[in-house]
Amino acid sequence: DGGITQSPKYLFRKEGQNVTLSCEQNLNHDAMYWYRQDPGQGLRLIYYSQIVNDFQKGDIAEGYSVSREKKESFPLTVTSAQKNPTAFYLCASSVGQGLNSPLHFGNGTRLTVT
Amino acid sequence: GNSVTQMEGPVTLSEEAFLTINCTYTATGYPSLFWYVQYPGEGLQLLLKATKADDKGSNKGFEATYRKETTSFHLEKGSVQVSDSAVYFCALSDTTRNYQLIWGAGTKLIIKP
Repeated sequence: DGGITQSPKYLFRKEGQNVTLSCEQNLNHDAMYWYRQDPGQGLRLIYYSQIVNDFQKGDIAEGYSVSREKKESFPLTVTSAQKNPTAFYLCASSVGQGLNSPLHFGNGTRLTVT
Repeated sequence: GNSVTQMEGPVTLSEEAFLTINCTYTATGYPSLFWYVQYPGEGLQLLLKATKADDKGSNKGFEATYRKETTSFHLEKGSVQVSDSAVYFCALSDTTRNYQLIWGAGTKLIIKP
């Protein structure tokens, strides 16, 4: 079955450590996205990538970094510069951008930083 | 800027009740509108969409009509089931930012048997 795999489901880190969240898709989608979900808020876009080796900052990119070396993979690194990293992180992909490209989501990674 | 406002939850209903979840938006241009659903412990799934005024999106018994005059896209279902318990997100495509989605805060729906 085609889909998006995020791992791990739960992740715990100490403050001051960088941590990388994995996102892999086998849908052959060009575009990939990282969102952050906090209680009582809509999804907020961290980074997105429309093509391999290219990515753009979203609304809340500070303290995060990404890479897109392969079409299938779009890992997100939460750096120690992110002031409030505890959240639920969702990766998504789409065939392209635009009106007729619905997002396909992974099941998320819940990151807790103490 | 563009924005989406959803009714606050949780919304609690009995099985077979009629459901309405309100969604209103502010947008320039002619955005597409979407409803996504998130079941417990999962990512989001597209539930339905509408791409122009007066369009009605429908799926799994859910419907929503794109009303430009009232800038609304309310989600409705005639008879809900326990399995509809989830969080529902309204979203619009931002025509000024390469169609990135602008999301509402989500409405948690709880259906009691």
